[in-house]
Amino acid sequence: KAGVTQTPRYLIKTRGQQVTLSCSPISGHRSVSWYQQTPGQGLQFLFEYFSETQRNKGNFPGRFSGRQFSNSRSEMNVSTLELGDSALYLCASSLGQGAWETQYFGPGTRLLVL
Amino acid sequence: QKEVEQNSGPLSVPEGAIASLNCTYSDRGSQSFFWYRQYSGKSPELIMSIYSNGDKEDGRFTAQLNKASQYVSLLIRDSQPSDSATYLCAVNINNAGNMLTFGGGTRLMVKP
Repeated sequence: KAGVTQTPRYLIKTRGQQVTLSCSPISGHRSVSWYQQTPGQGLQFLFEYFSETQRNKGNFPGRFSGRQFSNSRSEMNVSTLELGDSALYLCASSLGQGAWETQYFGPGTRLLVL
Repeated sequence: QKEVEQNSGPLSVPEGAIASLNCTYSDRGSQSFFWYRQYSGKSPELIMSIYSNGDKEDGRFTAQLNKASQYVSLLIRDSQPSDSATYLCAVNINNAGNMLTFGGGTRLMVKP
């Protein structure tokens, strides 16, 4: 089975721009979660989608948004980019939604904001 | 107090030794716990999950969970240089869907 895929893998943007990142979960997985990883803050939860609905949201400003499509693919969008948004953005998929579900991570999208 | 805490390391062990990685968490109601390994420049990969008190073994890896003391640990037997990586402890705090709270990670260095 193919793993979680994320596109693009690398991205360079300038402050004020917006960016859209894409994630395709493992086939059959219906839940997609997004995380941000930075050297200073570590891995932080952004949001989770299940059956096209946002189920949980982390403590991030409204500039960060996402959505999930009927085929479980997900996108996240960051508007009005700031330097501090430079990070590795990770998508993780799981079969269902619940505390016991195991999440599998994609390779990540490395975003650099100049 | 952080919700999930790990010693940042580096933890240095000789090849063939047992590496012991520890993690504490704050929410007593947490039910699921995960260990991920992350090589530099790569994404986290799952090592194992544990849900019940006690030990869970998978090959050279053993996860230990003690809910009363609110800690979870990972033992790596016969450590190899290829085990050198950052090990992340993740907890489903408050059983909140698929939202994981991660510790800062422990960097493990296995010296040949």
